[in-house]
Amino acid sequence: DAKTTQPNSMESNEEEPVHLPCNHSTISGTDYIHWYRQLPSQGPEYVIHGLTSNVNNRMASLAIAEDRKSSTLILHRATLRDAAVYYCILLNAGKSTFGDGTTLTVKP
Amino acid sequence: EPEVTQTPSHQVTQMGQEVILRCVPISNHLYFYWYRQILGQKVEFLVSFYNNEISEKSEIFDDQFSVERPDGSNFTLKIRSTKLEDSAMYFCASSGAGSRKLFFGSGTQLSVL
Repeated sequence: DAKTTQPNSMESNEEEPVHLPCNHSTISGTDYIHWYRQLPSQGPEYVIHGLTSNVNNRMASLAIAEDRKSSTLILHRATLRDAAVYYCILLNAGKSTFGDGTTLTVKP
Repeated sequence: EPEVTQTPSHQVTQMGQEVILRCVPISNHLYFYWYRQILGQKVEFLVSFYNNEISEKSEIFDDQFSVERPDGSNFTLKIRSTKLEDSAMYFCASSGAGSRKLFFGSGTQLSVL
């Protein structure tokens, strides 16, 4: 099944934008690109998803490359509460595999 | 917002015992999933369930595991004979049609002694 690749960790300063990249070069035409995050001692939480076009919601923005082989989650102003592991996954029929995710550290 | 409910929050069992982890998905959802997370590791897919049958399963989901939707509201994961390495946090998730946005429960921490 299609796999995603993310950097192991990233750091940001509070109130600054954060760009979290994800590569998914084997994406198929019907895969949705989803982002979830996991705060310490909690279950994964939905952040945003898209198919082909860029998306915005109250939590974040998702920029999807034209060939769909990569995407970037954008947190416009990081807060301390955004410190979490961020997972980029591809969702289609049935199976969804979480990669290793990116651990985001936000410094005050 | 509607949520996925999992019970119990913690389960302790002896090796070799059977355990059943319970989940109540969001009521109008059609797809149901189990994931697990061993302490300090990533979230691992176990199984997905749609239309009263397994649609996908991972290599982890061997003959010791089974899932059931016994009554149209509950979704259960049974481990027939638990092993020490089954100790993990087990997450249930559900999704509707279309984009398949996953809603996760808060998990059941299983400890096998």
